[in-house]
Amino acid sequence: GAVVSQHPSWVICKSGTSVKIECRSLDFQATTMFWYRQFPKQSLMLMATSNEGSKATYEQGVEKDKFLINHASLTLSTLTVTSAHPEDSSFYICSARQPLSLGELFFGEGSRLTVL
Amino acid sequence: AQTVTQSQPEMSVQEAETVTLSCTYDTSESDYYLFWYKQPPSRQMILVIRQEAYKQQNATENRFSVNFQKAAKSFSLKISDSQLGDAAMYFCAYRTGNQFYFGTGTSLTVIP
Repeated sequence: GAVVSQHPSWVICKSGTSVKIECRSLDFQATTMFWYRQFPKQSLMLMATSNEGSKATYEQGVEKDKFLINHASLTLSTLTVTSAHPEDSSFYICSARQPLSLGELFFGEGSRLTVL
Repeated sequence: AQTVTQSQPEMSVQEAETVTLSCTYDTSESDYYLFWYKQPPSRQMILVIRQEAYKQQNATENRFSVNFQKAAKSFSLKISDSQLGDAAMYFCAYRTGNQFYFGTGTSLTVIP
């Protein structure tokens, strides 16, 4: 199947700093990528849909200025958590759908963010 | 609104036995896809099996098969000959257009 790579796998930062998470589609071009947040033992919560060359579409309740998404190329989307606080600590997962595929999402490895 | 319901937060199965995970969904769409994803402790989501709604035949992938009941909006996953490596969270997912919806997950324990 298609490969989606996410980096870093885990990151620890101080409160007030910003953290950038990268999501790359390694063997296909993804015009659309999705960013999810997952709390322990819970389902995935869609945060935003990242569109190449245009603004991301955020889900209701997700702060656009807190979670900056940039999809500058067909293989790279980034999520920047700005001025991180302990409540932003979570597992963040990106995914992409391969064009002309049978419709499934391919997921990155996930990024564990811990804000001290 | 589309919703996906997994009514079993936790399930367990003896190694080599068979287990069925339940999933129901609510939709007014006629064209959609259904998926089962596995999330092992490593946390990366892995596709287990997919089903196109227009196909009447139930999908099968080796030890994994589904029971797709379109009228009942039910999409259960059967794991045969369970193995220790099957232990994970399993998420049922529904897709229409570019929208994906996930259930709350079922944690599967495999007992040696």
